[in-house]
Amino acid sequence: GQQVMQIPQYQHVQEGEDFTTYCNSSTTLSNIQWYKQRPGGHPVFLIQLVKSGEVKKQKRLTFQFGEAKKNSSLHITATQTTDVGTYFCAVAGGGADGLTFGKGTHLIIQP
Amino acid sequence: EAQVTQNPRYLITVTGKKLTVTCSQNMNHEYMSWYRQDPGLGLRQIYYSMNVEVTDKGDVPEGYKVSRKEKRNFPLILESPSPNQTSLYFCASSLGLALTDTQYFGPGTRLTVL
Repeated sequence: GQQVMQIPQYQHVQEGEDFTTYCNSSTTLSNIQWYKQRPGGHPVFLIQLVKSGEVKKQKRLTFQFGEAKKNSSLHITATQTTDVGTYFCAVAGGGADGLTFGKGTHLIIQP
Repeated sequence: EAQVTQNPRYLITVTGKKLTVTCSQNMNHEYMSWYRQDPGLGLRQIYYSMNVEVTDKGDVPEGYKVSRKEKRNFPLILESPSPNQTSLYFCASSLGLALTDTQYFGPGTRLTVL
């Protein structure tokens, strides 16, 4: 299936600092989705990006899709304790019509 | 309330004892799938179904079976569980094809095979 590399695997930040996770593919992507999983919870859909160079914002979260549609990023400004969790990107390619998830970035926030 | 439910939430069993994890959604979604989540490996798709009586293998289907006799239900069957199937399992559903539609995940089933 489709391969997608997500980095970093872990990120420790002080509360109030910014955080960024990246998702990279060797092939052009049709679209990319981002999910958040709180500790002990299940993945929850955040957003989908489709267009080359697309930028979307949700409050303190900024999502970008690269011009070549081979990479994407999620940036959180001024992290809060509620941002703790694992952030996953997901791309088409798990089976013929499924999703392949990145391995996720665990965000740990120190108060 | 729109939701995906899974049962049981926790299960400890022994090698070789057949088990079924149920999944049900009340959103009239066409697409349903099963994932397993393991530390360092993220979420990996086991099987998916695009409609009733239509199922396909995902990336890690070995040792699992599924069925889709009704639109709302998509049970995951382990005929002869082994310890390497100890994992956290998630069922998910979406209105249409997974690559274009939001996936809604169930709460998860933590399975331990001794």
